[in-house]
This record gives sequence, structure tokens and C-alpha cells, in this order.
Amino acid sequence: DIQMTQSPSSLSASVGDRVTITCRASQTISIYLHWYQQRPGKAPNLLISTASNLQSGVPSRFSGSGSGTDFTLTISSLQPEDFATYYCQQSYSTPTFGGGTKVEIK
Amino acid sequence: EVQLLESGGGLVQPGGSLRLSCVASGFTFSNYVLNWVRQAPGKGLEWVSGIKGSGGGGRTEYADFVEGRFTISRDNSKNTLYLQMNSLRAEDTAVFYCAKGVDYGSSIFDYWGQGTLVTVSS
Repeated sequence: DIQMTQSPSSLSASVGDRVTITCRASQTISIYLHWYQQRPGKAPNLLISTASNLQSGVPSRFSGSGSGTDFTLTISSLQPEDFATYYCQQSYSTPTFGGGTKVEIK
Repeated sequence: EVQLLESGGGLVQPGGSLRLSCVASGFTFSNYVLNWVRQAPGKGLEWVSGIKGSGGGGRTEYADFVEGRFTISRDNSKNTLYLQMNSLRAEDTAVFYCAKGVDYGSSIFDYWGQGTLVTVSS
């Protein structure tokens, strides 16, 4: 299986901050990398597919980049509703998720 | 509006069995891959199994940890996805989510149900 490693596992930030989350694959996955947001007690929500495609209805402050093994999710200006846990997931082979990054209020 | 509604979770003893169901609406069910993804309490997401849509011949896939204990199936006439789980272990305790793929075979999960909790304990 392809291992997905996210960093950091948690971070504290303030409203308005720029936040960057990194996801690294154990082998190349082209652009088959997707990002999800999960708020406490809720199901995950797809934010970005195939590395950089923003899903309909997702605010433009979210963006994704990368290819091969290294990927990034960026929130350009953190809003109160963005405090959540973020997961990357690869679909190059049998799906696997990263361990998650919890974004907390500073 | 796409909706996925899971049911069938509950408390079961180690070694026991449980069948989860996921009733779907709002899309042409047979055309899409459907998956089960689980989340142990306080832990991350873990893909369990998937079954392709019509374009993928209904092929099934499982995570390694399933080890033949679970069977995924679908009834396209009832718009329902199933997960039969046998030989359950304490480490299977989790919220199980039903997740729809973006097409007949891609493992990109664009809609999720609210989840059903499975607790394996004596």
C-alpha cells in the first residue's frame, strides 16, 4: 500500500492567517491526490480533487498544488469555519488516507 | 440532492457479525462506485472496501486488514449498498461511512453519509 504522511499533525493559527498543510506519498502518485475537511462529529467533505481542482461550493481561499510525491493544501486567509481536521487521500492505487492535520484556534 | 443514509450499526461481541446498509438517493445509483470508509474513535479515516459501478463491472476491492471477513455488495434495484461483516474484532470498532465515488470507478469520494457506529465489545 502507498503510505501518506501529513505534516504537521496539528497546528494553531489565528483568523486571517495563511495556513499550509503538506502531504507526502511513499511513491509517486501523479496527481491522484485529494483533500477533505472534517468538522467535529461530521462526515468528511471533499475540498479539492486531483491535486488542484477546487470542488463546487468550496471557497476560493482553499487551494492545492503538487504532483508526484509532494502536495500542499493552502488556506490563504483562515476563517472561523475552517477550524477542522484535514485529510489527504491518494487514489493512484488502493485508497489510503493521511493521518490528518487538526487546525486549531490560537 | 444526493443523500446517503447508513444503518445497521450497533454493539456486537467479538467474533460476531453485523450487516451495514446504505440507502442512496439523488443520483443514478448503478452508475457509480460506492465505498465504505471507517473511522475509529479519535482516529483518522481508513478505506475499507469499494464496489464499482456498471462501467466497472461491479468489481469489488478490500483493504488488506479485511482478511476475507467482510463482503461488500450492492442491490441496484433498491439503491442500496451493503457491508456484511463477520468475525468482528475489537479493533473494528469505528464509525462506518458510506461514500460515493465521482464516477463508476474513481476513488474520489464526493458524497458521504452521516455514518453508523459499530462497537465490538464483550
